[in-house]
Amino acid sequence: GNSVTQMEGPVTLSEEAFLTINCTYTATGYPSLFWYVQYPGEGLQLLLKATKADDKGSNKGFEATYRKETTSFHLEKGSVQVSDSAVYFCALSDGAGSYQLTFGKGTKLSVIP
Amino acid sequence: GAGVSQSPSNKVTEKGKDVELRCDPISGHTALYWYRQSLGQGLEFLIYFQGNSAPDKSGLPSDRFSAERTGGSVSTLTIQRTQQEDSAVYLCASSLVSGGRETQYFGPGTRLLVL
Repeated sequence: GNSVTQMEGPVTLSEEAFLTINCTYTATGYPSLFWYVQYPGEGLQLLLKATKADDKGSNKGFEATYRKETTSFHLEKGSVQVSDSAVYFCALSDGAGSYQLTFGKGTKLSVIP
Repeated sequence: GAGVSQSPSNKVTEKGKDVELRCDPISGHTALYWYRQSLGQGLEFLIYFQGNSAPDKSGLPSDRFSAERTGGSVSTLTIQRTQQEDSAVYLCASSLVSGGRETQYFGPGTRLLVL
């Protein structure tokens, strides 16, 4: 079956530090990959996505590249801000059946001034 | 435009009671999903609707759980004879069409607490 593994948190960084959150996956077929973010007290919202190998998704300074050879979709940001404090979820949809999302456990990021 | 809305936002119930959770998807979205978010299990898929049909109910944890969708719009998730392990945040999501590349837009969730 499908699965997503992402680094356990919590992660605490100082403002302007570099961020990497690792995500690897196992899937049948050719999945699409997503990063969702959940800010405190809010719902899940899409941060970025990539639908085929070597695609790079980007949004709000965050980037992730779909690496088929390493089955990875690591999230990066060059300079984090306090406002980036949230829980980040890596997810996949395997492009077949119900297209349900399979999520990782989530990584809580705290950015301190 | 309006996003996905869910009601109630919070629900406290006693063990053994039935509860109904409502989801209003984004207008025109044909696909609708229910997920459950709990501390121990993370985010889990429950059921998928395409229009009013539910071709995938594989995530429903027991026969106490059921869902329907009417008019290709509003969906209701019903939990009968609630148990304490049903306590979780129930999330609804919709997408314009079905497809692995489609973005699913999530509602704010209903936080259910079973005492």
